[in-house]
Amino acid sequence: KAGVTQTPRYLIKTRGQQVTLSCSPISGHRSVSWYQQTPGQGLQFLFEYFSETQRNKGNFPGRFSGRQFSNSRSEMNVSTLELGDSALYLCASSFIQGEGTDTQYFGPGTRLTVL
Amino acid sequence: AQTVTQSQPEMSVQEAETVTLSCTYDTSESDYYLFWYKQPPSRQMILVIRQEAYKQQNATENRFSVNFQKAAKSFSLKISDSQLGDAAMYFCAYRSGNTGNQFYFGTGTSLTVIP
Repeated sequence: KAGVTQTPRYLIKTRGQQVTLSCSPISGHRSVSWYQQTPGQGLQFLFEYFSETQRNKGNFPGRFSGRQFSNSRSEMNVSTLELGDSALYLCASSFIQGEGTDTQYFGPGTRLTVL
Repeated sequence: AQTVTQSQPEMSVQEAETVTLSCTYDTSESDYYLFWYKQPPSRQMILVIRQEAYKQQNATENRFSVNFQKAAKSFSLKISDSQLGDAAMYFCAYRSGNTGNQFYFGTGTSLTVIP
């Protein structure tokens, strides 16, 4: 079974631009979560989507948004990019039904650099 | 919100020796899950081991085992017979059993394996 995939793997943008990141979960997984990873802050939870609905949301400004499609693929959008948005953005998927559903499986991440 | 604390930013171990990574967490919940994830340099985050809070028996996965002390809210990871491939950043994570699929991560411990 293929793992979680994220595209693109690397992205360079300038301040003020907007960006969209994509995540394809493991087949059969219906929950997708997004995290921002930086050296100073570690992994911070952005939001979680399940069945096309946002179930949980972290403490990030409204410039960070996401959505999930009927095939469970998810996108994350950041508008009006700031230098501080430079980070590794990780996507994780979970099955949410049955044994071991609590476990999240991570993608390789998208490295976003804002200049 | 729950907090997860990893008090050892860096650890080192001789190849073939044993090392223990510490993790403590703060919660008022009785139903939750705990995880250790491993993130090798520039590589994907992978699950090392998981523990359900309702299980008294400590989880083990080959050379990896945990010491789960529920009353003390402690969840340490023991790596036996350390190998060069164990060098990575290790993250401890908490997931509530009640409030959806949001994970809380510690700040990580960077493990160096010395040949």
